[in-house]
Amino acid sequence: DAGVIQSPRHEVTEMGQEVTLRCKPISGHDYLFWYRQTMMRGLELLIYFNNNVPIDDSGMPEDRFSAKMPNASFSTLKIQPSEPRDSAVYFCASSPTVSNQPQHFGDGTRLSIL
Amino acid sequence: GESVGLHLPTLSVQEGDNSIINCAYSNSASDYFIWYKQESGKGPQFIIDIRSNMDKRQGQRVTVLLNKTVKHLSLQIAATQPGDSAVYFCAENMGGGSNYKLTFGKGTLLTVNP
Repeated sequence: DAGVIQSPRHEVTEMGQEVTLRCKPISGHDYLFWYRQTMMRGLELLIYFNNNVPIDDSGMPEDRFSAKMPNASFSTLKIQPSEPRDSAVYFCASSPTVSNQPQHFGDGTRLSIL
Repeated sequence: GESVGLHLPTLSVQEGDNSIINCAYSNSASDYFIWYKQESGKGPQFIIDIRSNMDKRQGQRVTVLLNKTVKHLSLQIAATQPGDSAVYFCAENMGGGSNYKLTFGKGTLLTVNP
């Protein structure tokens, strides 16, 4: 079975540029989560969706970050404009509707802002 | 200047020994717990989970113990192998209205020496 698919795997860009990260959740999973992982702060939840609707975006660091889920099989996390402190690994995860089920993670996008 | 990152607890074991990784969780209302394994360059991978109405659950070579009295979770790995070398995270589900959100611990680095 296909797991959570993220693209690109690596992204290097200059500060000020727009960055778009993409995620395809596991088919049939109704919950989608975006996380950021850094050495300083560990794994942080940014936002999550249920049935394509954002439920909790309290972890989004600031207005430069936005996330969308136009359909059940695709989500984007956008940073505009990007800054060096946004450099991190960004993970997408999905889980089924039934409560108390593990989230399944993609292999992440390693983002470097120069 | 010098950057200060997360101080990850580390555990170093010999191949074939048993490993015990510990985690203190924060919320007495948490009702679901998960252990994840993260290898370098990959996303967190689900290992085993446990609900709060249990105190022990076994999988293949792994056992999770839950002590709700002291809010402590442990992961035991039997006959540790070099392929078990990774960072291990515990995660808790706060329950209630945040039934699908997970809060992750800082992680423990397990190194298995051949």
